[in-house]
Amino acid sequence: GAVVSQHPSRVICKSGTSVKIECRSLDFQATTMFWYRQFPKQSLMLMATSNEGSKATYEQGVEKDKFLINHASLTLSTLTVTSAHPEDSSFYICSAKGDSAEKLFFGSGTQLSVL
Amino acid sequence: AQSVTQLDSHVSVSEGTPVLLRCNYSSSYSPSLFWYVQHPNKGLQLLLKYTSAATLVKGINGFEAEFKKSETSFHLTKPSAHMSDAAEYFCVVSAPGLYQKVTFGTGTKLQVIP
Repeated sequence: GAVVSQHPSRVICKSGTSVKIECRSLDFQATTMFWYRQFPKQSLMLMATSNEGSKATYEQGVEKDKFLINHASLTLSTLTVTSAHPEDSSFYICSAKGDSAEKLFFGSGTQLSVL
Repeated sequence: AQSVTQLDSHVSVSEGTPVLLRCNYSSSYSPSLFWYVQHPNKGLQLLLKYTSAATLVKGINGFEAEFKKSETSFHLTKPSAHMSDAAEYFCVVSAPGLYQKVTFGTGTKLQVIP
């Protein structure tokens, strides 16, 4: 089956630094990628939707200047948390789907801890 | 460590008949469990969640799921399928703690036959 690789799986950083999370589709072309954030005991929150070659569409309340999303190729999307603060500590997960496929495939997630 | 297994990749039911989508999980902790639905070309929608309260959880659109610790299962059911239920369903397990790791099942595609 299709595989989505997300890296790193865990990152610890100091407050004020930026962190980049990568999401790769390994065996299909991901025309659309989604980025989610998991809050404790809550459901996933969709942060943004990105289509290859286009600017990401952010959900209401998500700061686009803080969470930079790039989807420059059909196999790679990145989420950069800029000037990270402790409140950005969370679990981030990406998902991807191809142009003809309705099914979503999920990355394994990234646990971000900001000290 | 945690994992989730959706036992059926495809389920086909007739309209008006019951729906059963199976999910088994493993977790080193007391997990939170979720069912999400994804309709074609749309994002995920939360159907229901279990977070250590009542073991029978009722969700939207008539769906419910029962957490059975002894069987490590969290099967999704609905008494009567509707055509609009045709979609992909994902079972998700989440570890407790401040930064919860989320693990998705591989999904079950539900087909509803008129």
